Amino acid sequence: ETGVTQTPRHLVMGMTNKKSLKCEQHLGHNAMYWYKQSAKKPLELMFVYSLEERVENNSVPSRFSPECPNSSHLFLHLHTLQPEDSALYLCASSQEWGTGGYEQYFGPGTRLTVT
Amino acid sequence: GQNIDQPTEMTATEGAIVQINCTYQTSGFNGLFWYQQHAGEAPTFLSYNVLDGLEEKGRFSSFLSRSKGYSYLLLKELQMKDSASYLCAVFNSNYQLIWGAGTKLIIKP
Repeated sequence: ETGVTQTPRHLVMGMTNKKSLKCEQHLGHNAMYWYKQSAKKPLELMFVYSLEERVENNSVPSRFSPECPNSSHLFLHLHTLQPEDSALYLCASSQEWGTGGYEQYFGPGTRLTVT
Repeated sequence: GQNIDQPTEMTATEGAIVQINCTYQTSGFNGLFWYQQHAGEAPTFLSYNVLDGLEEKGRFSSFLSRSKGYSYLLLKELQMKDSASYLCAVFNSNYQLIWGAGTKLIIKP
């Protein structure tokens, strides 16, 4: 496989469930990102990892918990979500973090619905 | 605060030219990106401008004026497949990427 992959593509979960989103990048990049995309709103950056260390955490509720076991994999663990958390969750990677000029490569996203 | 402004939606005709504007107010500037996102798909990189002027890539061109806090994406010879959302994003002085809400472009035959 090439590029950035995400699983699952669609997820429906109840507010009491626990689930995880998975992202894998095959580009040899050093930085990985989680974004939330809601209709007609800008992309919201949730977390950034650089060389497997979390470098940004933008006031995200604790019901979202990221994990980066190595530079190719990124997880987003979900628990006790709210209906307003329903959105498209995008994973991205870039060659480096904290320096300009490097575009981000996005995965296809996970469409999450919280019931 | 920091924000990116772009029109919410635009409509154009197949074969025509369309210009999508983006204005930004950010704490510093280290480059501006344009991405294309088809419905239900991932954003894909189109262009990157860090110096003033026009960058041309086939049917797509991107312009930047740092003094005006302004950029535009120009699409020529529009095709139906160009129907998508176009996202403008700016690297601020801390290399945080600030995103616009995107412009939905509708192409009509």
